Amino acid sequence: GEQVEQLPSILRVQEGSSASINCSYEDSASNYFPWYKQEPGENPKLIIDIRSNMERKQIQELIVLLDKKAKRFSLHITDTQPGDSAMYFCAASAGDSNYQLIWGSGTKLIIKP
Amino acid sequence: GGIITQTPKFLIGQEGQKLTLKCQQNFNHDTMYWYRQDSGKGLRLIYYSITENDLQKGDLSEGYDASREKKSSFSLTVTSAQKNEMAVFLCASSIGTGGYNYAEQFFGPGTRLTVL
Repeated sequence: GEQVEQLPSILRVQEGSSASINCSYEDSASNYFPWYKQEPGENPKLIIDIRSNMERKQIQELIVLLDKKAKRFSLHITDTQPGDSAMYFCAASAGDSNYQLIWGSGTKLIIKP
Repeated sequence: GGIITQTPKFLIGQEGQKLTLKCQQNFNHDTMYWYRQDSGKGLRLIYYSITENDLQKGDLSEGYDASREKKSSFSLTVTSAQKNEMAVFLCASSIGTGGYNYAEQFFGPGTRLTVL
């Protein structure tokens, strides 16, 4: 089936610096790209999403970029804080389904004090 | 707001055993999902249901059955547990508008399965 590749699998950054996570997808019909954050022992929660009619979206310290030509999208967290330490998952809508998401394998973000 | 409840929280089974996981949501959402989460891997879709009595297979449906008994509940059955299997099963729901208007999925706390 279609895949979403997510890199890196582990990311360590200094508190206050920026963190970037990259995803690539295969299905050119994908039109919705959410990012979920999963804290230890918790369930995944939506933090930001972008649709194919946009190239950039920002919510406070979270920035998502979408390059449809290259089939890539990325999450950037500016001014990272200890509370940003978590697993982050990207996903892309499955083009042949109105309901399915194809998920990346996750990035463990560790904020170093 | 609403909540998704999954039971049991921990499930220990024997090889070959049939095991059932339950999920309830009070969001009044139309669409519900079952995912499997293995360590180091992303979420893989097992089954989803667009509305009551609907059932759609995901990429990982082999070895599982599901049932959408009513709008608020969605159960998953492992038909024959595999020895040394360990995974977390996550239930989710969304308002399910689908198409261009993808809706946020809300997740339950998960059921952690261990097969001895």
